[in-house]
Amino acid sequence: QTVVTQEPSLTVSPGGTVTLTCASSAGEVTSGYHPNWLQQKPGQAPRALIYSTANKHSWTPARFSGSLLGGKAALTLSAVQPEDEAEYYCLLWFGSSWVFGGGTKLTVL
Amino acid sequence: EVQLVESGGGLVQPGGSLRLSCTGSGFTFNEYWMTWVRQAPGKGLEWVANIKGDGTERHQADFVGGRFTISRDNGKNSLYLQMNSLRGEDTGVYYCARQGGFPYAEASSWGQGTLVTVSS
Repeated sequence: QTVVTQEPSLTVSPGGTVTLTCASSAGEVTSGYHPNWLQQKPGQAPRALIYSTANKHSWTPARFSGSLLGGKAALTLSAVQPEDEAEYYCLLWFGSSWVFGGGTKLTVL
Repeated sequence: EVQLVESGGGLVQPGGSLRLSCTGSGFTFNEYWMTWVRQAPGKGLEWVANIKGDGTERHQADFVGGRFTISRDNGKNSLYLQMNSLRGEDTGVYYCARQGGFPYAEASSWGQGTLVTVSS
């Protein structure tokens, strides 16, 4: 059973920069895993932010960016806004199934 | 505007069955892979299954086993999840999402979810 691991929680100050990561128990995360990043706020459905490592949806704010970093998928938020406080999930494709990471609770404080 | 509306959730006893539906609008339904994702109360997201636009290819999570079946009726712009032998751990909100043209394509649009409660 493949496990996808994210930081359980991170805290960032408004206006700051933070990087969330997504690791696979199967080894290095590459573009072939088609990393996706989603945001979820309490009581709401998930909202897609990033797909295929670094591609943004039309609604994704410019301050969000995706990349591969040190064998992991990464989501970087720059100039963080208070409304960015949320749970963030990565999603990796393992050839015949998707697996979500456990989520990172981002606090803006 | 892409819209996805789930329905069919509710209270069901352990061992029971339920069929969830997801109706899509604002896009050509049969051109897109569709997926189901669930979320237990207070827990993270868990992928359940997805299905190709023409219904000829499906993938599912290991935990599904033979209990859940994903299907679609393109004539009704509808996606389904038949859930049998339900257990307490199947309790949660079930979301449908629209992907792109490949099984690994992005899940760009999401419904608001339907709540399934498995309890006696």
